[in-house]
Amino acid sequence: GAVVSQHPSWVICKSGTSVKIECRSLDFQATTMFWYRQFPKQSLMLMATSNEGSKATYEQGVEKDKFLINHASLTLSTLTVTSAHPEDSSFYICSASETGTDHNEQFFGPGTRLTVL
Amino acid sequence: GQNIDQPTEMTATEGAIVQINCTYQTSGFNGLFWYQQHAGEAPTFLSYNVLDGLEEKGRFSSFLSRSKGYSYLLLKELQMKDSASYLCAAMDSNYQLIWGAGTKLIIKP
Repeated sequence: GAVVSQHPSWVICKSGTSVKIECRSLDFQATTMFWYRQFPKQSLMLMATSNEGSKATYEQGVEKDKFLINHASLTLSTLTVTSAHPEDSSFYICSASETGTDHNEQFFGPGTRLTVL
Repeated sequence: GQNIDQPTEMTATEGAIVQINCTYQTSGFNGLFWYQQHAGEAPTFLSYNVLDGLEEKGRFSSFLSRSKGYSYLLLKELQMKDSASYLCAAMDSNYQLIWGAGTKLIIKP
């Protein structure tokens, strides 16, 4: 099956620093990648949809200048949380859709747990 | 607006059967997904339905009624490892997934 990796798995940082999270599709080409955020005991919240070679589409209420997304290749997308604050502490999950599938199934990465002190 | 409803929590006994219901309202429809998510982990794909009817996959089955905007996930021969949250997600006309809040399933011995 399609495999998506995320790095790092967890990160602790000081308030005001920036954190970069990588999402890679390991054995398939992903035209579209999605970034989600999940707070404890809540459902997934889509932050943005990223298409290779173009600007990401952000959901309402998500600051695009704070959450920088780059999808430079068909196998890599990055999310940079700039000037992180404690309220940004969350579980960040990426997913990728495989090009050409009939139902655009999303394959999820293992997630990155961010703690901002 | 777009909306997904599923129960917040359910409890079942090991070895029994449980049905988790999901109703959806979306702008257009391109299928209904069920995902399993263990605490602290990312979701894993369980099933996809786009046509009416029942899809069986081992101990898990998923049903869809497009006219009723309704789906259910049926889990048979429950095992302790099935304790997890089960997420229902409907894909709208833009191929965007609309997520439910998840149903936390508690399995008791």
